[in-house]
Amino acid sequence: SQQGEEDPQALSIQEGENATMNCSYKTSINNLQWYRQNSGRGLVHLILIRSNEREKHSGRLRVTLDTSKKSSSLLITASRAADTASYFCATDEGSNYKLTFGKGTLLTVNP
Amino acid sequence: DAGITQSPRHKVTETGTPVTLRCHQTENHRYMYWYRQDPGHGLRLIHYSYGVKDTDKGEVSDGYSVSRSKTEDFLLTLESATSSQTSVYFCAISESVQGADQETQYFGPGTRLLVL
Repeated sequence: SQQGEEDPQALSIQEGENATMNCSYKTSINNLQWYRQNSGRGLVHLILIRSNEREKHSGRLRVTLDTSKKSSSLLITASRAADTASYFCATDEGSNYKLTFGKGTLLTVNP
Repeated sequence: DAGITQSPRHKVTETGTPVTLRCHQTENHRYMYWYRQDPGHGLRLIHYSYGVKDTDKGEVSDGYSVSRSKTEDFLLTLESATSSQTSVYFCAISESVQGADQETQYFGPGTRLLVL
C-alpha cells in the first residue's frame, strides 16, 4: 500500500512563481526523499531529509519535515519551464533501504 | 546515472508467454530493486536484492520472480505474462555514490512492456 501521498495531484504555475508540494505518510520513517521524473524517463533523486531534521535546502529546493504530523513539503523557488515534471515523495522505513513511493504531483511550469 | 542499463527498453508480447527483463549495473552496488509504474499508482516495489542470490518480495510480487547470480545483473521474469502486467518497469540501485546518502536510489531508464 502507498505510504506517501502527495498533494496536490497536479499543479500549474507561471515561470518565476514558487511551487509547493506536500506529502503525508502513515508510519514512522528513517528518512523521506523527493524524486523528480521527466516524462518518459527514470526518476532522479532530488533531496533526502532524515527523521531528526526539520528543514533542508539544496539550490532552489527547500524541504521540510514534520514528524509529529507525518508530513513533508517540497518548495521549488523561482520555477522554470525545465522544472515541469512529476515529483514523488518516498519514505524509508529502515529495512534494506526499501522505499515506498507516493503517487506523485504533476507540476507544469508555463513560460 | 550510476551506470544502470535496462534491456530491452521496449517489448510487446502475448499473454501466456514468458518474459525476462534485465537490469545491469557497472559499479558493484549491493542493493537492487525492481519497480513497476502504472497510472494512478505511482511506483510499486516488485522484488529487491540485497546481495548475490539474496532476494526478497516487495509489495506486488505475485506473478514475478527474480534472480541475481552475479552482482551486476538483476533479472525480472514474468513466467506467464498477463495483460495486467502491462506497465513500465524500472530498476534501481542503492548504495553510497560519491557523496550521496546511502539510502538514495538511482534509477535506470525503464522498460515499457505491453502484454497483448
